[in-house]
Amino acid sequence: AQKVTQAQTEISVVEKEDVTLDCVYETRDTTYYLFWYKQPPSGELVFLIRRNSFDEQNEISGRYSWNFQKSTSSFNFTITASQVVDSAVYFCALSGSADRGSTLGRLYFGRGTQLTVWP
Amino acid sequence: AAGVIQSPRHLIKEKRETATLKCYPIPRHDTVYWYQQGPGQDPQFLISFYEKMQSDKGSIPDRFSAQQFSDYHSELNMSSLELGDSALYFCASSRDRSLPLHFGNGTRLTVT
Repeated sequence: AQKVTQAQTEISVVEKEDVTLDCVYETRDTTYYLFWYKQPPSGELVFLIRRNSFDEQNEISGRYSWNFQKSTSSFNFTITASQVVDSAVYFCALSGSADRGSTLGRLYFGRGTQLTVWP
Repeated sequence: AAGVIQSPRHLIKEKRETATLKCYPIPRHDTVYWYQQGPGQDPQFLISFYEKMQSDKGSIPDRFSAQQFSDYHSELNMSSLELGDSALYFCASSRDRSLPLHFGNGTRLTVT
């Protein structure tokens, strides 16, 4: 069964600090997708990144970077030089299993990490 | 760019009442997903539709039903509402069951 674990429930940092959000996943599938979503206090879910299981290249987008390691089943997210606007709940998610009668869009979310960035 | 539209944004109902949530996917998206997020919880998959047919079903209570119409919009109907149904309900859409999902802003349902 698909499972995502975000062990960090809450993280507080001061502005300009770097912060890494951890995500560990479990799946028996060889093909799968991993995601990060941001949920600000207003409540919407903002898509940040998708990574497929065959692409282990790290990705950088501005102050955001992601480290995908299949060997440890981890997909960690780092924010460099954090800002107050980064304060939100961040969810890591794993796609469903299309070959088990399910659909890829049946996402399995972790419990989320509440990030608070103080000025 | 057009996004997923959900209505209403907020809804207050009493126990045992019924509620209908609507979702309008991004144009040309034919796949719709519904998720429920309880207070302080992660989003949980309820049900999905592809080309107007149910494509997957998650932990959706029997009191809930949903459908996708010919214009691809979807409605989630909830009957005999319970206090525990209070949650943020997200709709998401995609094209041809592909990823990623594009989420709407959600409907916040409060049952009193």
